[in-house]
Amino acid sequence: EVQLVQSGAEVKKPGESLKISCSGSGYSFTSYWIGWVRQMPGKGLEWMGIIYPGDSDTRYSPSFQGQVTISADKSINTAYLQWSSLKASDTAMYYCARLWFPLSFFDSWGQGTLVTVSS
Amino acid sequence: QSVLTQPPSVSGAPGQRVTISCTGSSSNIGAGYDVHWYQQLPRTAPRLLIYGNSNRPSGVPDRFSGSKSGTSASLAITGLQAEDEADYYCQSYDSSLSGSVFGGGTKLTVL
Repeated sequence: EVQLVQSGAEVKKPGESLKISCSGSGYSFTSYWIGWVRQMPGKGLEWMGIIYPGDSDTRYSPSFQGQVTISADKSINTAYLQWSSLKASDTAMYYCARLWFPLSFFDSWGQGTLVTVSS
Repeated sequence: QSVLTQPPSVSGAPGQRVTISCTGSSSNIGAGYDVHWYQQLPRTAPRLLIYGNSNRPSGVPDRFSGSKSGTSASLAITGLQAEDEADYYCQSYDSSLSGSVFGGGTKLTVL
């Protein structure tokens, strides 16, 4: 069974850094792209970017380019989403999901990581 | 404002049929890129409902169906049930953004 397990909820202050994780199991982690999706409170889904853990090839949505960094450690089947300096507007639920290429749909999702940024 | 436009809300009585539209442009749906649909129940992660315009993953009831024509796509739900009350999102690739996009989402209310 494909499983994506995300790290727990975080409460941070503006300006702090953060790295959240997504661990995959039940499939060949290096053979599928992993994507990150943001959902701000009461809002819709936003496609942030994707990474291919096999070679760390990464693509970002123009809206998120330069705002976050997506990475992966294939030795431990884990993908990451990180911020160097959080803003209050980064408060959201973040989901990781496995991408089925080339049709580019997400067929399995993590449970989500709630990030709260508040002074 | 998403490049894929969905109605903010739709509603229907149990047993009825509802449709949710997803309108794009020549850089996404109209360019031939596939449309996918997700269901998000309250306080849960999204779930894949339809992929490749009209295909259902295993476990998705055949009450759910998808179609695509021109620059638009539609999700149809027949035999509405209370458990179908959720948010629904379409997704496609957009060549001008060089990445995928989601529609703004549609809240389905079962009356």
